[in-house]
Amino acid sequence: KQEVTQIPAALSVPEGENLVLNCSFTDSAIYNLQWFRQDPGKGLTSLLLIQSSQREQTSGRLNASLDKSSGRSTLYIAASQPGDSATYLCAVWRSNYQLIWGAGTKLIIKP
Amino acid sequence: GAGVSQSPSNKVTEKGKDVELRCDPISGHTALYWYRQSLGQGLEFLIYFQGNSAPDKSGLPSDRFSAERTGGSVSTLTIQRTQQEDSAVYLCASSLEASGADTQYFGPGTRLTVL
Repeated sequence: KQEVTQIPAALSVPEGENLVLNCSFTDSAIYNLQWFRQDPGKGLTSLLLIQSSQREQTSGRLNASLDKSSGRSTLYIAASQPGDSATYLCAVWRSNYQLIWGAGTKLIIKP
Repeated sequence: GAGVSQSPSNKVTEKGKDVELRCDPISGHTALYWYRQSLGQGLEFLIYFQGNSAPDKSGLPSDRFSAERTGGSVSTLTIQRTQQEDSAVYLCASSLEASGADTQYFGPGTRLTVL
């Protein structure tokens, strides 16, 4: 059974710092891995999708890596800003439609 | 509309009552998904539709839960005889296809509280 774990559960850092969010999964047989951002009352927004054959994806200040063999992914946020404050969710694509989700990392960026 | 919409945004009901939650996907998206997010928990897959068909209903917690989709568009999730443990945020998402590579776009959710 696929399980997804995110560490830490919460993180508070000063503005401007670079930070890393961690995601681990128990079954390396995955389709893809995706990182989402969740803002209160606004649903989820997809940040990066890494296909199983890829090792990383970049979008602006965000970089996500994937190591299937070790069952790990990291989301790197450079030069953090207060607007980055949100809950970040990691989800593993178990099939072509089913995502298995981590519980999220709640990130607070202090001005 | 530009995005996925859900209604109502909040629903408070009494234990034992039935509730219907509605999802309007992005126009042209053939795949539609329902998830449940309980406090402090990750999202839990409930069911997905490809067109009007639901190939996988395995995530529905009990036979009190059902869902349908009509016209390849709007979907309703019905919970009969609600229980307090049904309290959660119910999220709907849609994608172009259920391909494993198409991003799922999420609605804002319906917060259900069962008293």
